[in-house]
Amino acid sequence: QIQLVQSGPEVKEPGASVKVSCKASGYRFSNYGMTWVRQAPGQGLEWMGWISAYTAIAKYAQKFQGGVTMTADSSTSTAYLELRSLRFDDTAVYYCARLGSNYAYPYWGQGTLVTVSS
Amino acid sequence: SYVLTQPPSVSVAPGQTARITCGGNDIGSKSVYWYQQKPGQAPVLVVYDDTIRPSGIPERFSGSNSGITATLTVSRVEAGDEADYYCQVWDSSTDHVVFGGGTKLTVL
Repeated sequence: QIQLVQSGPEVKEPGASVKVSCKASGYRFSNYGMTWVRQAPGQGLEWMGWISAYTAIAKYAQKFQGGVTMTADSSTSTAYLELRSLRFDDTAVYYCARLGSNYAYPYWGQGTLVTVSS
Repeated sequence: SYVLTQPPSVSVAPGQTARITCGGNDIGSKSVYWYQQKPGQAPVLVVYDDTIRPSGIPERFSGSNSGITATLTVSRVEAGDEADYYCQVWDSSTDHVVFGGGTKLTVL
C-alpha cells in the first residue's frame, strides 16, 4: 500500500535551517509529484507548493517563494522540504501529501513538527 | 488569489444532520474536495470531485456543489465525527491548491 513516512520532530533556533524528509513507498515515485502543506498550531491547512518527482521542477505558493526549497530524490523515493532563515512563526506541523487520480490528496505523511525556539 | 470561506464552527446533536459550507467565486465550476482532520492526525479525504466518497468513508458523508457554495453533509452524526473539516480546490488560474479555513464540527 502507498505510504509516506516523514522524518522526526525538529527544534531549531531562529535564523537556522531545517530539512524535512518524506519517504514514499508502494508506488513508482517518479510518476507523481509531492506536495507540502503547513499547519501552524491551532490553525488551518496551508498549501506550500509541490514538486514533480519526474522533472524535479517545483512550484511554490507565493508566500513561501524564496524561503523554502523542495527537492526530490528518485533513487531513494524521498522528497525533501528545506526551510531557511527560520522565524518563530514557522513553528508548525509540515505534511507531505501525494495526489490521487485527480486534484485530491488521499495520501498523507504523518506530519513533522518543526519548533522554532530560542 | 482564489479564496474559500468556511464557517469557523458548526454544532449538532448526535443523530442529526450537519452541513458545512464552503464558499467561493463560481465554485460550482470547480471540483471540490473535503478532508476530515482529528486532533494530532493527518487529514483524511472524505469526499472528492464534489460528491464521491473514497472507499471506506461511510455513506453518511455526502457532498454537493453549485453556484457559489459547496456543502459537505454529515447525516446521522456520531460522536466520532467531531473533527475539523477543510474544503479544497485547485485554482487553475494560478495552478495552486487552495484550502478553506476549516470548520470545527462539534457534536453536542
